Amino acid sequence: NAGVTQTPKFQVLKTGQSMTLQCAQDMNHNSMYWYRQDPGMGLRLIYYSASEGTTDKGEVPNGYNVSRLNKREFSLRLESAAPSQTSVYFCASSRPSTGGVTGELFFGEGSRLTVL
Amino acid sequence: AQKVTQAQTEISVVEKEDVTLDCVYETRDTTYYLFWYKQPPSGELVFLIRRNSFDEQNEISGRYSWNFQKSTSSFNFTITASQVVDSAVYFCALLTNDYKLSFGAGTTVTVRA
Repeated sequence: NAGVTQTPKFQVLKTGQSMTLQCAQDMNHNSMYWYRQDPGMGLRLIYYSASEGTTDKGEVPNGYNVSRLNKREFSLRLESAAPSQTSVYFCASSRPSTGGVTGELFFGEGSRLTVL
Repeated sequence: AQKVTQAQTEISVVEKEDVTLDCVYETRDTTYYLFWYKQPPSGELVFLIRRNSFDEQNEISGRYSWNFQKSTSSFNFTITASQVVDSAVYFCALLTNDYKLSFGAGTTVTVRA
C-alpha cells in the first residue's frame, strides 16, 4: 500500500547542477501535482497534471520543468539549480470523484532539497 | 484567479481551550472543493476534511468541526478542547474545476500544557 512515493527524500546540490525529483502513485489517480513549501509561505503550486498527457503551470513554475511520463509518474526537473530553490518539495495525486471534479488528495512524504 | 487566505499566522492556546482557524477563499467557479490539512512537526500532510461547494452543512468529527459559509466565502475550522497533540500547521486549500489546487499560507497552532 505505497500511495505516493517521492525520491530522493534528501538532496544537496551545488548552484548550476541539475536534478530530477521522481514521483509515482499506485492508486490509478488521474491528477498529479508538485508543490514547494517554504517557511511562512505555505505550499505553492509549481506544476500540475490534470490527466495523463497534460501539464500546466502553477504559481511558481520558473526554473522547473515537469514530465507526466505515464499515468503513474510525474517528475520535476531543475535544469540549473539556484539557492532560491532550496525547499521541501511535495508531490500529490488525486482521484476523480463523481461528477468529474477531483476528490481527496494524497501527498508524498516530501523531498528536502538544499542548493548551495 | 483563485486564492486562499489564512489571515492568522500563529495561534497559541492553553490545553482544553477552543481554537478557531479562519479560511477565506476566492474563486469564480461555481463548483469547487475545500480542504483542510494538518502538518504535524513530523512533516507529513494529513487530510482532515473535504467539502464541495454545494454542501454547506457544517460537519463535526470528534473534537473537530467545520463551518462552511458560501455567502462569506469562508471555511473555518474549530478544534474544541485542544490537546498538545493538536500542535501543528493547518492548511486550508481550494480545488477548482481546472484541477488546480491552491493552499493558504497556513496557521501554526501551538497548544501548551
